[in-house]
Amino acid sequence: AQTVTQSQPEMSVQEAETVTLSCTYDTSESDYYLFWYKQPPSRQMILVIRQEAYKQQNATENRFSVNFQKAAKSFSLKISDSQLGDAAMYFCAYRDSGAGSYQLTFGKGTKLSVIP
Amino acid sequence: DTEVTQTPKHLVMGMTNKKSLKCEQHMGHRAMYWYKQKAKKPPELMFVYSYEKLSINESVPSRFSPECPNSSLLNLHLHALQPEDSALYLCASSQDGFGGTGFYEQYFGPGTRLTVT
Repeated sequence: AQTVTQSQPEMSVQEAETVTLSCTYDTSESDYYLFWYKQPPSRQMILVIRQEAYKQQNATENRFSVNFQKAAKSFSLKISDSQLGDAAMYFCAYRDSGAGSYQLTFGKGTKLSVIP
Repeated sequence: DTEVTQTPKHLVMGMTNKKSLKCEQHMGHRAMYWYKQKAKKPPELMFVYSYEKLSINESVPSRFSPECPNSSLLNLHLHALQPEDSALYLCASSQDGFGGTGFYEQYFGPGTRLTVT
């Protein structure tokens, strides 16, 4: 079974600084998808970024980027120029590719605080 | 538009009540999901519907009964719940269904905060 590990239960960052959230996963599959979701206190899960395992290029979405190391099974999220609105719980998630593979395996989450 | 809507936002019910949660999406997604989320925990999958058919039931107690009346709508019927069922219930949808390719990300609704008294 796939597992996702987020080793940092809590982190904090100064406003305008950069922070990196860690995620490792375990799978025997060669093709899969990885996601970072953000859940602010308003509680809605928001998709931040996704990465297809077959793509070597790291995904980027504005201030959010990932460092995807397939061999090391590592998928970290970098947030640049942190803003107060970035404060939230961040979940790393894994999904097998292919039709019928619906399950998302989530990590336990990292609570990010942004200090003004 | 990547919007999934859920009603109600909050629900308080007694253990003998019957209530329903509603979820709607108009993105043409073929798969819809119910999750249960306890405080400070990740979401736990309950049910998956694909092309309006129940594909996955993660051994959820029968007091939770899902229904998918059409491709845009997903309901969760609640009956005789226990206090430990109090949680945030999240609905999600994704584009894929059987034979789908790409676009596997799930889009979540804002959730229904359920309290069972």
